[in-house]
Amino acid sequence: AQSVTQPDIHITVSEGASLELRCNYSYGATPYLFWYVQSPGQGLQLLLKYFSGDTLVQGIKGFEAEFKRSQSSFNLRKPSVHWSDAAEYFCAVGPQTGANNLFFGTGTRLTVIP
Amino acid sequence: EPEVTQTPSHQVTQMGQEVILRCVPISNHLYFYWYRQILGQKVEFLVSFYNNEISEKSEIFDDQFSVERPDGSNFTLKIRSTKLEDSAMYFCASSPQVNEKLFFGSGTQLSVL
Repeated sequence: AQSVTQPDIHITVSEGASLELRCNYSYGATPYLFWYVQSPGQGLQLLLKYFSGDTLVQGIKGFEAEFKRSQSSFNLRKPSVHWSDAAEYFCAVGPQTGANNLFFGTGTRLTVIP
Repeated sequence: EPEVTQTPSHQVTQMGQEVILRCVPISNHLYFYWYRQILGQKVEFLVSFYNNEISEKSEIFDDQFSVERPDGSNFTLKIRSTKLEDSAMYFCASSPQVNEKLFFGSGTQLSVL
């Protein structure tokens, strides 16, 4: 069965510090992998996605993520967090079969302190 | 960047009432979706819609739910007889092609009393 686990419900980091948000997935085949961000009152915005090729993918707003097949992980990273990065972050997996029914994790809420 | 628009942002209804959630997808997109998020839980896929018919639906999407594209711009989710457990944030999304980036709306918070 498909599942996505984001083990950290809430993370607090200082502005300028580095960030890593964890995501582990369980999927029957090679999945497509996504990270979305949701700011208060906003919709889900795609940060980055992995379909194939280079396992280190770059996204918007200075985020990157690395696909590690052996660990079934797709962790999101940013070297220096800005106060505007405070939001809810969702990892998601989807099939490579042509459908778009994404399976989401429960999300990680990021708080940034000055 | 183009946006998916959802109205209303918050809807309150009585249990057993019908409710229609409205979405305006991005104009040149061909695939439309509804997702929902119960408070504190995961965002869950409900249904995908392409070429004026449902292409895929989850177990959540039972006979109480229906979707429609009544004209060239709107995409609606109808819940025929709402239950308390239908209280959730409902997200509409659209994409130009399958496996392309999904554009999500800001959601409609449905509260069933």
